Amino acid sequence: QVQLVQSGAEVKKPGASVKVSCKASGYTFTSYTMHWVRQAPGQSLEWMGWINAGNGDTKYSQKFQGRVTITRDTSATTAYMELSSLRSEDTAVYYCARMYCTSIRCYNLDYWGQGTLVTVSS
Amino acid sequence: EIVMTQSPATLSVSPGERATLSCRASQSVSSNLAWFQHKPGQAPRLLIYGASTRATDLPARFSGSGSGTEFTLTISSLQSEDFAVYYCQQYNNWPPLTFGGGTKVEIK
Repeated sequence: QVQLVQSGAEVKKPGASVKVSCKASGYTFTSYTMHWVRQAPGQSLEWMGWINAGNGDTKYSQKFQGRVTITRDTSATTAYMELSSLRSEDTAVYYCARMYCTSIRCYNLDYWGQGTLVTVSS
Repeated sequence: EIVMTQSPATLSVSPGERATLSCRASQSVSSNLAWFQHKPGQAPRLLIYGASTRATDLPARFSGSGSGTEFTLTISSLQSEDFAVYYCQQYNNWPPLTFGGGTKVEIK
């Protein structure tokens, strides 16, 4: 069965960076794209960016451009999201989520990771 | 960016009753609309994609309808496990993928 298992909770100081991992299993990792979505306390879901796990292409939300980097390790079937220059407003639960894309179009997000709480506090 | 607006923000429903959740897009998203159920401490769960196609093993009491800019998620007879927050999300015109603000379905 498809599983996305994320790394554990993190506490970081303002200005630091955090790297969250998302280990995929139960499907062909390189046949899908992986997205990162976050949810701040009391807020809705916010898309951050994605990576084509097959060729490594990435695209980021303008809001996070320059601060977020999404990578993947195909041998480990793991995607990573690194967010730098952290501030208190980045305190949120961060999720990875899978999406299937062909050369013509992309479909819906389907499976999600369990979430990783990142707390930014001095 | 396409803005997704959900209403109501909170829906109080008794078990066994029908719940109707609305989602509006700021411009047409065709049928590229998904619904997710989210419970505290859990991963969001895909319910509906393509505006009306139920995800695998989803109970038939969940149904989705609409196209263009107006969408509805209906839960025909609420069960205890259905009390959660529900989000709509468009994947027609992105990046960015965008989500609605959510509807919390609570016990009346």
